[in-house]
Amino acid sequence: QQQVKQSPQSLIVQKGGISIINCAYENTAFDYFPWYQQFPGKGPALLIAIRPDVSEKKEGRFTISFNKSAKQFSLHIMDSQPGDSATYFCAASSPGGYQKVTFGTGTKLQVIP
Amino acid sequence: NAGVTQTPKFQVLKTGQSMTLQCAQDMNHEYMSWYRQDPGMGLRLIHYSVGAGITDQGEVPNGYNVSRSTTEDFPLRLLSAAPSQTSVYFCASSYGDQETQYFGPGTRLLVL
Repeated sequence: QQQVKQSPQSLIVQKGGISIINCAYENTAFDYFPWYQQFPGKGPALLIAIRPDVSEKKEGRFTISFNKSAKQFSLHIMDSQPGDSATYFCAASSPGGYQKVTFGTGTKLQVIP
Repeated sequence: NAGVTQTPKFQVLKTGQSMTLQCAQDMNHEYMSWYRQDPGMGLRLIHYSVGAGITDQGEVPNGYNVSRSTTEDFPLRLLSAAPSQTSVYFCASSYGDQETQYFGPGTRLLVL
């Protein structure tokens, strides 16, 4: 059972455009929502994370928007660059003992010049 | 710091063979975990550890064993490899619960 649903599976964006990746979750106990970026042949690396006490978090060109009532969160990449081309994973975890992180299925982003 | 290291980078096994995937971290992290990554399925947790001597099962533990005798090392053992275990395996470590996970470079495993 997929507890974190991610869309789209792939995304092509023009350089300078906005990339938007959406995730929805089912478990209301989730309270930590990280996004990971993965380049080909590499391990994932944390990009940005949010907790549900805020509705938005911004770090440079990357913004997470969070809608607790809808159980949805999204990643916006402003002014997308070819160097942003990677696979992005949303994830979620609940508190209590261990970081049992549930990942989405990933979005492959290609930013074309 | 080397961070999280994994060996080997690539391995081919025949069905029924056993092997150990190595993972080490030099950040003194208590939490370590193993994931497998398959196309269209994201990363799925196999086993995890919250400290030396403490391990538990994740989402897809069948066919895999782990142990954690030191803080630094967290090997993953395939007891009798099956084609369904063909995947890319990632080890990760973190300081604590809901802290940043640091991933290794991965081991690509092909089981024939």
